[in-house]
Parts: sequence; structure tokens; C-alpha cells
Amino acid sequence: QKEVEQNSGPLSVPEGAIASLNCTYSDRGSQSFFWYRQYSGKSPELIMFIYSNGDKEDGRFTAQLNKASQYVSLLIRDSQPSDSATYLCAVRGGSYIPTFGRGTSLIVHP
Amino acid sequence: ETGVTQTPRHLVMGMTNKKSLKCEQHLGHNAMYWYKQSAKKPLELMFVYSLEERVENNSVPSRFSPECPNSSHLFLHLHTLQPEDSALYLCASSQEGGFYEQYFGPGTRLTVT
Repeated sequence: QKEVEQNSGPLSVPEGAIASLNCTYSDRGSQSFFWYRQYSGKSPELIMFIYSNGDKEDGRFTAQLNKASQYVSLLIRDSQPSDSATYLCAVRGGSYIPTFGRGTSLIVHP
Repeated sequence: ETGVTQTPRHLVMGMTNKKSLKCEQHLGHNAMYWYKQSAKKPLELMFVYSLEERVENNSVPSRFSPECPNSSHLFLHLHTLQPEDSALYLCASSQEGGFYEQYFGPGTRLTVT
């Protein structure tokens, strides 16, 4: 069974710090990796996707993928209180259907 | 209306009822999705319609039946549900079926009694 693991947190970081969110997956055939942000009481929103090993940067967000070690991470630089949310990792392999992790709660305190 | 809308926002139904959830997207997308989010499990993709093809998550019970009459409308027909089906049902859309630039609706909170 395909599994995607995330530390449920909460991960608490001070404003301005780098928040590092990690996700590991069990399916070595996984090809696409997604990060969603979900504010409390709101719907998820896709913030990053990555396919290739290495880093992908978009503004303050950087996704890092290491297929050999089967992990994907999300770094948030200069964290702001508005970044406080639950971050969901999703992994898709040969099957069209992605597998989601349970999410990591991030709290950025002033 | 803009974006992705869902109706009703809240629904309470008995196990013997039949009801339908509706989703409409106003973004000109051609792929639509149903997700289930419950407190006890990770977010789960249930169905995808993309360019008139349907992809199913094989773990979804047959008491959930999707319908996509056109690229703007998506329904989820519910019948003889179980209490464990109580969850937030989210609709999403995107341009093509690759999950990129995916936009979610506000969800329908379903309670099965």
C-alpha cells in the first residue's frame, strides 16, 4: 500500500525564520509531488509541484526532491504569520490517483 | 459567480436517503475532481473527469456515483450512505487533468445519521 508520511506537528517557528516541512513516501515509482496549503476551515490550495530531483523555487517557497531517499520537502523562507496553516504533501506514481499525507500544521509566531 | 461553487454547503441525510452534491466551475477548465476529507483520514481523491474521460479511485464504494454532464458541472450522487461517509466533500477543477493550477470549491459538509 502506498504511504505518504508527514509529521503532524505543530511545527512552530518565529516570524522571519525558515520553516522546513518534510514528507516521505513509500512508492519508489512515484513521479509527481505536490504541496498544498490549507488554512483552518478553508479548502486546500496547490502551492508547489516538482518532478525532478533537486530544488524548485517559487518566491519564498522551495520544494526539494530526493528520489533516492524518497523524500520531498518544502522550505518557506522569511516565514510570516499568514503562512500558519496545514501543509499537505501529495505523491503520484504510475496511477493517476495521488496519495496524500495527513498534513503538517505550521504555526508562525510573531 | 466566480471560481468553483458547491451546493449545498451543508447536508444532513439519513442512511436510506438519496441526495446529490453539485459543483460548478466558472474558470473555463476542462477537468473536474471530487475529493473527500475526513478528520480521521488523509485527503482522498475520489473521481476525476478530464476531457470526458473518468478516472476512479478503486477504493471508493459504489454508493458514490459521479456524473459530469459537461465541463462546467459535476455531481456526486449519494445513496445508502454509512455514518463513516460523513466528511467534507471538495470539488476542484483545473485546465486539463494534471492537477496543475487546481482550484478548489468551498466544500459540502456532509453528515450521515
